[in-house]
Amino acid sequence: DAKTTQPTSMDCAEGRAANLPCNHSTISGNEYVYWYRQIHSQGPQYIIHGLKNNETNEMASLIITEDRKSSTLILPHATLRDTAVYYCIVSSYNNNDMRFGAGTRLTVKP
Amino acid sequence: NAGVMQNPRHLVRRRGQEARLRCSPMKGHSHVYWYRQLPEEGLKFMVYLQKENIIDESGMPKERFSAEFPKEGPSILRIQQVVRGDSAAYFCASVQPPSSYNEQFFGPGTRLTVL
Repeated sequence: DAKTTQPTSMDCAEGRAANLPCNHSTISGNEYVYWYRQIHSQGPQYIIHGLKNNETNEMASLIITEDRKSSTLILPHATLRDTAVYYCIVSSYNNNDMRFGAGTRLTVKP
Repeated sequence: NAGVMQNPRHLVRRRGQEARLRCSPMKGHSHVYWYRQLPEEGLKFMVYLQKENIIDESGMPKERFSAEFPKEGPSILRIQQVVRGDSAAYFCASVQPPSSYNEQFFGPGTRLTVL
């Protein structure tokens, strides 16, 4: 009963924006959208999260559609070090059980 | 990822032996999660603990697996009588409520290989 759907893999040219989509059509009103990434063999790293407004931090921007059924993570200027698996997760604020799916394997190419 | 320590980073055990994995959370954090990641798969939640208390162990296998987080010292994930299917990467993450429970800081993981 996966809550999110992401493409299996994506490529992006170095220096260009990477746009990673996520569908979460069954999201409920109290659930946030979280993004983590996992660089090869390392522990996952928190990127950003949002409820309904678009969010931006030093790492990325998160665009959530008005109906909240999908979102896009944007890495504005991708570098080779951004090559990783990116996980989109929907979860209520205090939910102990974060469901990491298979994620999107982003490859940034020179 | 800075601050969460896990050891050992690599652990090899023979079938039937015990595996003990340790996690020291970030300074000031009193809550830890444990996750398991099988090869080429995503992370699976196992257990959520605070010091001296298990909050949620709904992801833990019913047998052979246990976890603790004592008042002093690291959190321990213990696997008794390991089998080949236990071979995986085990990650812990720490968090300090009342900040968002889901902003978790992960350690580098312990890679368990069962021969």
